Amino acid sequence: DARVTQTPRHKVTEMGQEVTMRCQPILGHNTVFWYRQTMMQGLELLAYFRNRAPLDDSGMPKDRFSAEMPDATLATLKIQPSEPRDSAVYFCASGFGTGTLSNTEAFFGQGTRLTVV
Amino acid sequence: QKEVEQDPGPLSVPEGAIVSLNCTYSNSAFQYFMWYRQYSRKGPELLMYTYSSGNKEDGRFTAQVDKSSKYISLFIRDSQPSDSATYLCAMGSGTYKYIFGTGTRLKVLA
Repeated sequence: DARVTQTPRHKVTEMGQEVTMRCQPILGHNTVFWYRQTMMQGLELLAYFRNRAPLDDSGMPKDRFSAEMPDATLATLKIQPSEPRDSAVYFCASGFGTGTLSNTEAFFGQGTRLTVV
Repeated sequence: QKEVEQDPGPLSVPEGAIVSLNCTYSNSAFQYFMWYRQYSRKGPELLMYTYSSGNKEDGRFTAQVDKSSKYISLFIRDSQPSDSATYLCAMGSGTYKYIFGTGTRLKVLA
């Protein structure tokens, strides 16, 4: 049963702490997305990787967020330092696309529910 | 004004009803249109994927795209309590960047 796996599912942390979220994309997929979902804004694209290369991270606050793909089976999203306004559900999604910027159907993980107090 | 607008609902219907969910958009470059279903505390799952204008049918679900009106719809026939979820529309112009609606909450009453 191929699926995107995200850990942890829930995270409560204090303001100022570092938070790391992990994602295992579906085997064989070459595209990874990180999204943030809030009630007010809905789903917002934070970062996009194709073949492990970061092609777009314009949706991320640069001073505190970072995203990496150390290998094809792991993507990470890090927040340092975390702030209460970062409280949201963070989704990783993967897909298979041809061409650097071609459209890709995204298959979502279960999300990490982050609460920063 | 947001690029994609979606009525947040909630929309409550009796079991067996036909449900119509809609999104409007402003970017005429959008050509790819998707509908996702999201159950509570779960990730979105892709329901329908259409390119350009026209209709697409899959079982009880029909997706319609009217590019002239910048309006897309998802119809659910013979709705079931298991269809109760939030439905998200998403659209893009052919790159990786999809714009999502904020979702419509649907409740189908048994």
